[in-house]
Amino acid sequence: SAVISQKPSRDICQRGTSLTIQCQVDSQVTMMFWYRQQPGQSLTLIATANQGSEATYESGFVIDKFPISRPNLTFSTLTVSNLSPEDSSIYLCSVGLASYEQYFGPGTRLTVT
Amino acid sequence: GENVEQHPSTLSVQEGDSAVIKCTYSDSASNYFPWYKQELGKRPQLIIDIRSNVGEKKDQRIAVTLNKTAKHFSLHITETQPEDSAVYFCAASKRNSGSARQLTFGSGTQLTVLP
Repeated sequence: SAVISQKPSRDICQRGTSLTIQCQVDSQVTMMFWYRQQPGQSLTLIATANQGSEATYESGFVIDKFPISRPNLTFSTLTVSNLSPEDSSIYLCSVGLASYEQYFGPGTRLTVT
Repeated sequence: GENVEQHPSTLSVQEGDSAVIKCTYSDSASNYFPWYKQELGKRPQLIIDIRSNVGEKKDQRIAVTLNKTAKHFSLHITETQPEDSAVYFCAASKRNSGSARQLTFGSGTQLTVLP
């Protein structure tokens, strides 16, 4: 498996501002992913973060709203821009191992007021 | 794209009884099927998985079965205990166009084990 940390664990942000979430892994991994989990709901993939190339976004998610960086094989950031109350959610990063398994970070709980 | 349906949405069982959660998927290219357990306020935790070249896999009290022809897979928990109470998610995985192995999740099952 992998040890994954996220910062911040939670935040309360004002409408119209942005929040950047960091994801750190204890080993080098090729694939990192960002998910959103709205209250009481399932997990929805936002994008795949590839090292050295642009992130690949899923339908309904755009780079202007969710810019992603992947500067190396152990770190990624997700920014949620121009926040609105509808962005209130838990954001989770995950890492994909060569053995097919994916492991999740502890998540960041975002509340937009 | 892939679509994963999960049933039931809620399941209550008596301690010691068995629990079964079922999922169906739509994309025949999916070939890896993990199950996650998520306790309240915690991250999803991988509990068991199965690849498409295998029909069944067991790990102590939990087992997963896969029927590729019918495109469905199930989670079986035997001798349930109160600590099994959580939300369980199934997922289906295949390589996308960029060769990343991405997961599509089911809607989740809230399992409650009654003492």
